[in-house]
Amino acid sequence: AQSVTQLGSHVSVSEGALVLLRCNYSSSVPPYLFWYVQYPNQGLQLLLKYTTGATLVKGINGFEAEFKKSETSFHLTKPSAHMSDAAEYFCAVSDRGSARQLTFGSGTQLTVLP
Amino acid sequence: DSGVTQTPKHLITATGQRVTLRCSPRSGDLSVYWYQQSLDQGLQFLIQYYNGEERAKGNILERFSAQQFPDLHSELNLSSLELGDSALYFCASSVADRVGNTIYFGEGSWLTVV
Repeated sequence: AQSVTQLGSHVSVSEGALVLLRCNYSSSVPPYLFWYVQYPNQGLQLLLKYTTGATLVKGINGFEAEFKKSETSFHLTKPSAHMSDAAEYFCAVSDRGSARQLTFGSGTQLTVLP
Repeated sequence: DSGVTQTPKHLITATGQRVTLRCSPRSGDLSVYWYQQSLDQGLQFLIQYYNGEERAKGNILERFSAQQFPDLHSELNLSSLELGDSALYFCASSVADRVGNTIYFGEGSWLTVV
């Protein structure tokens, strides 16, 4: 079964600092990989996804993630944090074969300090 | 606004009762997914329908059932409710029945069982 681990349930960064949220998956075959963001009292919004092709994926709001097969990782980064980035971030995977359900990590709450 | 509409937004009910959550997918989307988000279990996939047919089933309890109607809206029925069923229930939709395509989440229905 697919599983995904997000290291760090809470991450704090200063405004303007680098954001790095970690995600590792466990699968013998690289799955589809996703990052979602959830703002308070809202649904999940897709930031970016990797299905095939270039391993460095650019998403919305200046975020990007790099798929590293050798490390089974898909870490999310943003060069300079904004106050508006404060939210909960979820990494998710889906099996390439069926590709019908997302398995989510436990989430990382990002706090941006002024 | 993702275009996915869920009603009701908030619901409080007693143990043992039955409730129905409703979802209208984005215009043109044929797939509907249901997810449960709770403090204990995190985000879990429940079930997926595509054009009226069940396509995938996740950790959905036998007390729960869902269906997708000819007009493509979906309902999630929760019966014999227990305190542990208190959670945020998300509906999501996509054009195709594969999550490689972007899926869009609604804002969720908050269910509180007392």
